[in-house]
Amino acid sequence: EAQVTQNPRYLITVTGKKLTVTCSQNMNHEYMSWYRQDPGLGLRQIYYSMNVEVTDKGDVPEGYKVSRKEKRNFPLILESPSPNQTSLYFCASSTLKGDGYTFGSGTRLTVV
Amino acid sequence: AQKVTQAQTEISVVEKEDVTLDCVYETRDTTYYLFWYKQPPSGELVFLIRRNSFDEQNEISGRYSWNFQKSTSSFNFTITASQVVDSAVYFCALSETRFTDKLIFGTGTRLQVFP
Repeated sequence: EAQVTQNPRYLITVTGKKLTVTCSQNMNHEYMSWYRQDPGLGLRQIYYSMNVEVTDKGDVPEGYKVSRKEKRNFPLILESPSPNQTSLYFCASSTLKGDGYTFGSGTRLTVV
Repeated sequence: AQKVTQAQTEISVVEKEDVTLDCVYETRDTTYYLFWYKQPPSGELVFLIRRNSFDEQNEISGRYSWNFQKSTSSFNFTITASQVVDSAVYFCALSETRFTDKLIFGTGTRLQVFP
C-alpha cells in the first residue's frame, strides 16, 4: 500500500529536549515536505526536499532542521523545542509534477 | 502572489441540508492543480479531489460535487443532503506546476452538521 508513515502520532516533551519526528514514504517520490497546522492558520510549510541531499526552507523554518540522506526518509528535527512549536505536524510526499500529495497521519506535538 | 482563501471559518447546518464551501485562489502559473482535503476530528488529512487547470468540467461523487470556474478563480465544494459524518474541517489547496515547492493551503472551513 502506497503510504507516508510518520512517527510518533503523539508526543509530549519538555522545553529544550531534542526530538526527531520520522517520516518515510514507499512511493519513490522525489519531493517530500513538512507542514505544521495551527488553528486559524491552515497548514504552513516548514521545509521541503526535491531530492536526496537537496533541502530548502519553507515559510516557517525557524527552530527546525531536516535531512534527506535517503530518498524514502525525511526526518524533522527539533534541536531545542519551545512551547510555540506545539502543533500538529504533517509529512507529505509527491512526484515533482505536484499533481498528487500523499500525507502522513500527523504527529501531535506538545511542548511544555 | 499565490494564495488560497476560504472566507468561511465555520458553517453549521442541520442534517439533510445542502452546504457549499467556498474556495478562491490566486496563482501566477497557467498550469496548476487544485485540491480539497477533509480533516475529521481524528486529525488525518483525507484527499477528496484533484482538479487541473485545464479541466473545468464539474465533478460529482455521490453527495459531493465541485464547481471549478477559472473566470472567477474559484473551486467550490458542495455537499448535498449533509450528514453528521460530514462534520470536519475542509481545506482547499493549490499546487503550481512551475513552482512545485509547496502545496498552498487555505485556512480551512469547519463544518458542523447537527442531527
